Amino acid sequence: AQKVTQAQTEISVVEKEDVTLDCVYETRDTTYYLFWYKQPPSGELVFLIRRNSFDEQNEISGRYSWNFQKSTSSFNFTITASQVVDSAVYFCALSEALYNNAGNMLTFGGGTRLMVKP
Amino acid sequence: EAQVTQNPRYLITVTGKKLTVTCSQNMNHEYMSWYRQDPGLGLRQIYYSMNVEVTDKGDVPEGYKVSRKEKRNFPLILESPSPNQTSLYFCASSVGTGAYEQYFGPGTRLTVT
Repeated sequence: AQKVTQAQTEISVVEKEDVTLDCVYETRDTTYYLFWYKQPPSGELVFLIRRNSFDEQNEISGRYSWNFQKSTSSFNFTITASQVVDSAVYFCALSEALYNNAGNMLTFGGGTRLMVKP
Repeated sequence: EAQVTQNPRYLITVTGKKLTVTCSQNMNHEYMSWYRQDPGLGLRQIYYSMNVEVTDKGDVPEGYKVSRKEKRNFPLILESPSPNQTSLYFCASSVGTGAYEQYFGPGTRLTVT
């Protein structure tokens, strides 16, 4: 069964600090997809990134970067020079490609609440 | 505007009183699903639907029902709500399974007393 662990339940930083959110996953599939979603205080879920298991290139988007390492089953998310608007709950999620040939079971981690203080 | 809508956004009800949370998407997506979000547990899938008249259980289906009679709508039904179903519920839709990003509705906060 697939599993996603976000060991950091809450992180507090001061604005402009860099912060890394950890995500460790378990899966038996060789083909799978990893996602990060952001949930700001308003409550909606915002898609940030998708990465497939065959693409281990790190990705950078502005102040956001993602480090995917299959060897350690990790998909960590770093925010550089954090801002107050980054305050949110961040979820890492995993989808296996062949879940009973259906279902798209998207398994979420428990989430990390990030608080960025001015 | 492409979106997933849910109604109501907030609901307080009593144990045993049947309720329905509606979900609708305007993106012609085949795949729809329901999740519940609880502190520390992330989101857990309740039910999903691959297409009209095709539904199946997710991780936590007990106490819930769904139907998919039209492609755009996927209501969640609680026949006899109990306090342990107090949660934040999200509906989602996507083009397909696996690699596809899921688009989430705004959420429905349900309290059962």
